[in-house]
Amino acid sequence: QSALTQPASVSGSPGQSITISCTGTSSDVGGYNYVSWSQQHPGKAPKLMIYDVSIRPSGVSNRFSGSKSGNTASLTISGLQAEDEADYYCSSYTTSSTVVFGGGTKLTVL
Amino acid sequence: QVQLQESGPGLVKPSETLSLTCTVSGFSISSAYYWGWIRQPPGKGLEWIGSIHHSGSTYFTPSLKSRVTISVDTSKNQFSLKLSSVTAADTAVYYCARMFPIRHFDYWGQGTLVTVSS
Repeated sequence: QSALTQPASVSGSPGQSITISCTGTSSDVGGYNYVSWSQQHPGKAPKLMIYDVSIRPSGVSNRFSGSKSGNTASLTISGLQAEDEADYYCSSYTTSSTVVFGGGTKLTVL
Repeated sequence: QVQLQESGPGLVKPSETLSLTCTVSGFSISSAYYWGWIRQPPGKGLEWIGSIHHSGSTYFTPSLKSRVTISVDTSKNQFSLKLSSVTAADTAVYYCARMFPIRHFDYWGQGTLVTVSS
């Protein structure tokens, strides 16, 4: 199975909004509403930010939102803050009953 | 409060078997959740290795399936990973995590670095 495709990096200024894309196929992202997004700060374990395309776990800021169109899922962060600077990974369930991650996107807050 | 903690050797020789254990606290491993292993080579992205349910049901990523064994010990609230015939390419931080059945990981351990080197 191939990794989902994410941009290597995105950047934005404090207060702005950014969107990270995650492109797969009809066998993963496009076939199921089981896309999740995790945030990882350097040297730390990943933290779940969004699951099932658009659901935020308890305690996650409502500045984080998720969506999906066809084979591409997206994570939007509004009102960017310095603490949002991190790596972001998408993942999806697949038709093979497996999980596949994206390659990761480094978010820089300018 | 769900907590997971990985343990095991930090250095493994090439061709040998990597063995790690994840101890779960604050939550019963005998629940509807799955329990998974994910790894991250230095400076690279996340790779799902496989997951197990307390019933013994398992799922693995195809590229590693022939070398991976995942088991569960409900009496100790632990689950374990064995990866055989390791090479330098298996050097990574290994994470254990709680998994909503084959979907997303909501609680993670802190991770443990395993280096494959002679």
